[in-house]
Amino acid sequence: EPEVTQTPSHQVTQMGQEVILRCVPISNHLYFYWYRQILGQKVEFLVSFYNNEISEKSEIFDDQFSVERPDGSNFTLKIRSTKLEDSAMYFCASSEALRTRASTYGYTFGSGTRLTVV
Amino acid sequence: DQQVKQNSPSLSVQEGRISILNCDYTNSMFDYFLWYKKYPAEGPTFLISISSIKDKNEDGRFTVFLNKSAKHLSLHIVPSQPGDSAVYFCAATGSGTYKYIFGTGTRLKVLA
Repeated sequence: EPEVTQTPSHQVTQMGQEVILRCVPISNHLYFYWYRQILGQKVEFLVSFYNNEISEKSEIFDDQFSVERPDGSNFTLKIRSTKLEDSAMYFCASSEALRTRASTYGYTFGSGTRLTVV
Repeated sequence: DQQVKQNSPSLSVQEGRISILNCDYTNSMFDYFLWYKKYPAEGPTFLISISSIKDKNEDGRFTVFLNKSAKHLSLHIVPSQPGDSAVYFCAATGSGTYKYIFGTGTRLKVLA
């Protein structure tokens, strides 16, 4: 079964450093997403990406965050200057299409990258 | 901003019995709802979804019911199996947005 692959599984970084989280979406998928889950809290939307541009972003996704699809297979999330409160599980997801009213569609999520900012 | 709420943080059920997980939402613009299952150290796995044009969707042991007037949905798992033990999230979305709004999750424990 096709998978969304995320690397690394765990990243520890010093406050103020830049991190890049990497994702390889499912190959025929066109829509890409980043979500995060702070420990003990709910899964929160960060950004969606389609046709090489951001299609939607949340208020969490400020100027410190950026996304890129540099080579047609990878999808990256960069945090320029990490803060302690950026510590969370970051999940990448992809989908073949947006859902229709009658579809049974859902995203496919990766296993996540645990980011720890110290 | 708790547009999607799962008021039961945990639920324990005997193997073979029915598990019922509940979810409430407040935004009447939501028109598509999903349930995800999550094991520790893994990403959420899509289980089942329902569009607002339906009030029930069934897939094997999993059935989702939607009550639009009450803004309530539920996931029924029958019969429950020990392998169903996980955290279950409901999520909602509406037209004009790409994002899902997730609930806080319910931890289901199926006892053998």
